This record gives sequence, C-alpha cells and structure tokens, in this order.
Amino acid sequence: SAVISQKPSRDICQRGTSLTIQCQVDSQVTMMFWYRQQPGQSLTLIATANQGSEATYESGFVIDKFPISRPNLTFSTLTVSNMSPEDSSIYLCSGLEQETQYFGPGTRLLVL
Amino acid sequence: GDSVTQMEGPVTLSEEAFLTINCTYTATGYPSLFWYVQYPGEGLQLLLKATKADDKGSNKGFEATYRKETTSFHLEKGSVQVSDSAVYFCALSTGGFKTIFGAGTRLFVKA
Repeated sequence: SAVISQKPSRDICQRGTSLTIQCQVDSQVTMMFWYRQQPGQSLTLIATANQGSEATYESGFVIDKFPISRPNLTFSTLTVSNMSPEDSSIYLCSGLEQETQYFGPGTRLLVL
Repeated sequence: GDSVTQMEGPVTLSEEAFLTINCTYTATGYPSLFWYVQYPGEGLQLLLKATKADDKGSNKGFEATYRKETTSFHLEKGSVQVSDSAVYFCALSTGGFKTIFGAGTRLFVKA
C-alpha cells in the first residue's frame, strides 16, 4: 500500500496570505487527489492532480484559488491563495493505487 | 449517480459491546467497496475492502460482507475497545477512478 506524507502538518496563517501544502507518495500512483474536510464532516473533493498538465477541479473550486501542481508521479502541491477564515479546514492528499485510495495525515489550517 | 448512505452517528457503546454500522450504496456498475477509519487528529486509513459480491473484507477484528442483493456493506465487530473510538467512512469506487464517500459515522466507546 502507498504511504503518503504531507507538509506542513498544521499552520496558522493571516488572512490574505497563501500557503503551499506538499504531498509525497512513496510509490508511483496512477492518480492523486486533494480533499478538504471541515471538522466533523465528510470529505469534499477539490481536484484531481494530473501529472504534467492542469488539475481537474470540482464544481465550486477554481484554479486561481487552489493552484495545484504535479510534476511527477509521486509528488504534488496544493496552494491555498489569498486566504480567508472560511479556508480554515483540514486538507488531505490522496493517491490511487490499484483501485484503492490511500491518504496522507492531513494539513490542519487555521486562518486568522 | 453513485452514492453511499451510512447510518447517522454518533454511536456510543460500552467496551466489549457488539458494533454494527450500516452502509448501503447505489451504483450503476459493479463497485469496489471500502471502509476507512479516521482517528482523532489523523488522516483516513483503509480498514478493509471487498471487490466483488459475497466477498468479506476483514481487518483488526472488523469485518464487512459485500451484499449485492441488498446493496449493503455493513461494518461489524464482535467486541469493541476504547481504542476503536473514531469516525468510520463507507466508500465505493467504480472503474477505479473517483471514490465516493459516505458522510461518516462517529463511534464513541466507553470504558
């Protein structure tokens, strides 16, 4: 099974700033995803990170707000841009390996 | 479209009690089914999975059977422990692409 790490594990940021979250997988996965999870809620898919091309965003999420990169099969970044308190959440990276999704530990973001 | 419905929580049990968390699904194809667990302050971990009808997934004393006739994948454990307190997510995947998650069921186990 794929092992996924994320950095940072948590951060406190000021409104109007940006934060980049890194996701590293220990094996080559076919697909990578970014999710947002509000406390006590289920997961909301932000986008599918595509290697070498623009990410595929879900309804309600746009590239200007959540730019994503995936330069190779084991690494991706998500940037949360021009943050507001409404962006406070847990951000989860996921990799797909043989029809099973594996998750990183999450990045806990608080925007003041 | 495809969807997953799981029982609302929270579920509160005493240690050594029997656990059932119900999960039903709607899918046009033949999905793979999963249970994930999220412990406080952590990401989701795959607990078990089943890829075809009548398969039983099992791990750490938990088990679930893929029931095509009732479109269900209920999670069971014979004797829960305090350390099982977590949120449990039922999920499905068709075509090996996106995974559809249920709303999650929070379990509290009291000593």
